[in-house]
Amino acid sequence: KNQVEQSPQSLIILEGKNCTLQCNYTVSPFSNLRWYKQDTGRGPVSLTIMTFSENTKSNGRYTATLDADTKQSSLHITASQLSDSASYICVVSPLQGSNYKLTFGKGTLLTVNP
Amino acid sequence: DSGVTQTPKHLITATGQRVTLRCSPRSGDLSVYWYQQSLDQGLQFLIQYYNGEERAKGNILERFSAQQFPDLHSELNLSSLELGDSALYFCASSGRGDPYNEQFFGPGTRLTVL
Repeated sequence: KNQVEQSPQSLIILEGKNCTLQCNYTVSPFSNLRWYKQDTGRGPVSLTIMTFSENTKSNGRYTATLDADTKQSSLHITASQLSDSASYICVVSPLQGSNYKLTFGKGTLLTVNP
Repeated sequence: DSGVTQTPKHLITATGQRVTLRCSPRSGDLSVYWYQQSLDQGLQFLIQYYNGEERAKGNILERFSAQQFPDLHSELNLSSLELGDSALYFCASSGRGDPYNEQFFGPGTRLTVL
């Protein structure tokens, strides 16, 4: 069964610090991996999308990395801000253009404290 | 703002009742997806419509149904509601021609079944 596992489940950091969130997946075949940010009670917002041939992609203070060989991805957040407090969801697509086959992780809940 | 709108924002009803959730996709998007997100659970894909036609089904109960109208808005109908149906329901849309088929999520409808 295709799975996406994220760690840690939750994380608390101080404002200004960096952090790294992990995602391991078993989805195969693999087309692309996405990271979403979901504020409490709101819809997810896309941060990055990477194909299997890409190993890093940045979006401002967010940098995602992908190792397709080990089936691992990470999301690094630098100089965290209070507004980074949210759930970060890793999503894997097995086939290009097949959104209905997306497999979602349960997310990492990040809390940034002042 | 993703450009996807959902109404109502909140819905409180009793077991056994029927409700309708509405979604308007981003302008020009032909695909609409419905997701359920229960407490502490990842997003679960329910159903996809493309230009008025059902494209794919996920973990959608027989008590649930959906449709997409000629103006591309979509409705998700939930009937014979049970306590366990309490969840956030998200609609997402994606556009034709996007190789990643990036999805844009609406703000969600929070359904509470008492």
